[in-house]
Order: sequence, then C-alpha cells, then structure tokens
Amino acid sequence: GAGVSQSPSNKVTEKGKDVELRCDPISGHTALYWYRQSLGQGLEFLIYFQGNSAPDKSGLPSDRFSAERTGGSVSTLTIQRTQQEDSAVYLCASSLGQVGGIQYFGAGTRLSVL
Amino acid sequence: GQQLNQSPQSMFIQEGEDVSMNCTSSSIFNTWLWYKQDPGEGPVLLIALYKAGELTSNGRLTAQFGITRKDSFLNISASIPSDVGIYFCAGLQGGSEKLVFGKGTKLTVNP
Repeated sequence: GAGVSQSPSNKVTEKGKDVELRCDPISGHTALYWYRQSLGQGLEFLIYFQGNSAPDKSGLPSDRFSAERTGGSVSTLTIQRTQQEDSAVYLCASSLGQVGGIQYFGAGTRLSVL
Repeated sequence: GQQLNQSPQSMFIQEGEDVSMNCTSSSIFNTWLWYKQDPGEGPVLLIALYKAGELTSNGRLTAQFGITRKDSFLNISASIPSDVGIYFCAGLQGGSEKLVFGKGTKLTVNP
C-alpha cells in the first residue's frame, strides 16, 4: 500500500486477555518502529526493527509486551494479560532504514482495556 | 522515559495570526523534527532539521534547529482553519533510531 497500515483501528478487550496488533510498513522500508501514545501525551518509543532483528527494544514497558517481524515486512505487537494502564493508541512507523531516516506513521490502533 | 519540553501546551488564536511554539532539552539532539497530528490519524512530518543553526521553511511553516542543538522552534504564519491540530516536536540523538517526542502543542484557530 501507499502508507503504513495498522489493524485493527480500534480494539476493546477485557483485563487479563491477550491482544495482537498488526503493522504493514511501506513497501521497501527496512526499518519499523512501535510507539505508544497515552491520552494527552507525546509518543513513547517501544521497539525498533531493522529487517527482522530488533536492535533496540528498550522501550517495552514489561515482559508482557513483545513484538516480532517476519519476512522483513509485517510486524505484530503482542500484549499479554492486558491491564487497564495498557489503554493507549499504539502507533507504528517505518523508514528506509538509513541512519536518521524519516519515519512515516500509520493511523494507529486505539486499545481500550476494560 | 525521556521527553522533550514543548511549549505552549495549547494555543487559541484568530485566523490570520502568526503562531510560535518551541521545544527544549537538556540533552543534545542531532536531528529535530516537527510533526502534525489530526484526530484519529498518525503524526505527519512537516519539517526536518539536520544541522545546528539550520532554518528551514515549508510554505507558511518555518523551523529552526538551535545552535546549541538543545532546542528548536516552529513558526506558522498567517494561520488558517486547517492548521488546527496537535503539533509535536521530536528529536533523534546520535547513534539512536528512536524518536524522543514532546507532549505536543494543541492549536485551535478561530475563523
């Protein structure tokens, strides 16, 4: 597609359930990033992929959060045993992969944990 | 986590007025970026700055990379209703690929 695509756009889940969020980067972009945006806040870095490897996963808030990327393309962010504080918009971005490359963002997945 | 200090938090202006917002940090950044986010959308890049002292324009938008590499500002001239949204500054430090963001400036333009 022309831009970064994320699905679902909205997800409502019950506390304790697992959720999977998907990101399709711009075709040809080797770098992929996940950020989290809580209400009224700026974006908070979670993890960065170069190809299928994650050189920087320093922003993952706990071991309930994990992410993978396959085929150098699609990425999935998984949150296990969701908590109410996980409620936020999860944004994915991709770039061409050169140092300091411009990151292009998707529209995000709005996660609500009841 | 680390965040940039962005101000003001919100602005209410009349159409046609000029707007200025800025970001500061206690750390040095090698790249400064300004994004705009509309409701329900992801941030869209407005301007990218790569050199200390650099002044860059994009239409009615002008941004500068501070000489100390610890700050940046964004000016919008002759505002119009479609300028409404949340503006974020973001920075990249040397050797890092993770963007550090400010908390945003919410702009409201009254026609």
